[in-house]
Amino acid sequence: DQQVKQNSPSLSVQEGRISILNCDYTNSMFDYFLWYKKYPAEGPTFLISISSIKDKNEDGRFTVFLNKSAKHLSLHIVPSQPGDSAVYFCAASALYTGNQFYFGTGTSLTVIP
Amino acid sequence: DSGVTQTPKHLITATGQRVTLRCSPRSGDLSVYWYQQSLDQGLQFLIQYYNGEERAKGNILERFSAQQFPDLHSELNLSSLELGDSALYFCASSPPRTSGDTQYFGPGTRLTVL
Repeated sequence: DQQVKQNSPSLSVQEGRISILNCDYTNSMFDYFLWYKKYPAEGPTFLISISSIKDKNEDGRFTVFLNKSAKHLSLHIVPSQPGDSAVYFCAASALYTGNQFYFGTGTSLTVIP
Repeated sequence: DSGVTQTPKHLITATGQRVTLRCSPRSGDLSVYWYQQSLDQGLQFLIQYYNGEERAKGNILERFSAQQFPDLHSELNLSSLELGDSALYFCASSPPRTSGDTQYFGPGTRLTVL
């Protein structure tokens, strides 16, 4: 049972525009959410996180929004750059599970120059 | 560089064989996690160790086992290998959880079973 879902396998965006990647989850006990970025032949790299006590967290060009009532989070990248082209995974965890992370299946972002 | 190392980088073996994947966590991290990523799949959590003890189990097959040693490095043992075991295997480590923490991933081991 996939508790974290990324329903868009791929996304193409023009350089300089906004990229919006979406993620839905089913477990209301999740209290910590993260986005990872993965280049081919490399391990996932942590990008940004958000605790369930917040609804927004910003780090430079990256902003993560959390809508707990909808069990939905999104990652905004503004402005998008060609180097942002990668696979983005969202992940969720709950303290009671001992920080086990549940990952989505990923969204492949292509930023077109 | 995340600070997590995994060896080997690539492994090619035959069905029925047994292999061992190795992971060294970041300095100071007590938790080690193992994940499997098959083609077009997300990261499937296999197992977690914390300071030498098994902490959580995910979708890990009985043919697979893991352990974490006193120096905190971990090994994932895969036996009676099948074609479907071909995948990327990632190890991650994290510090003790406070207000939320992050898992840092190694570069992965690509296993090909022929």
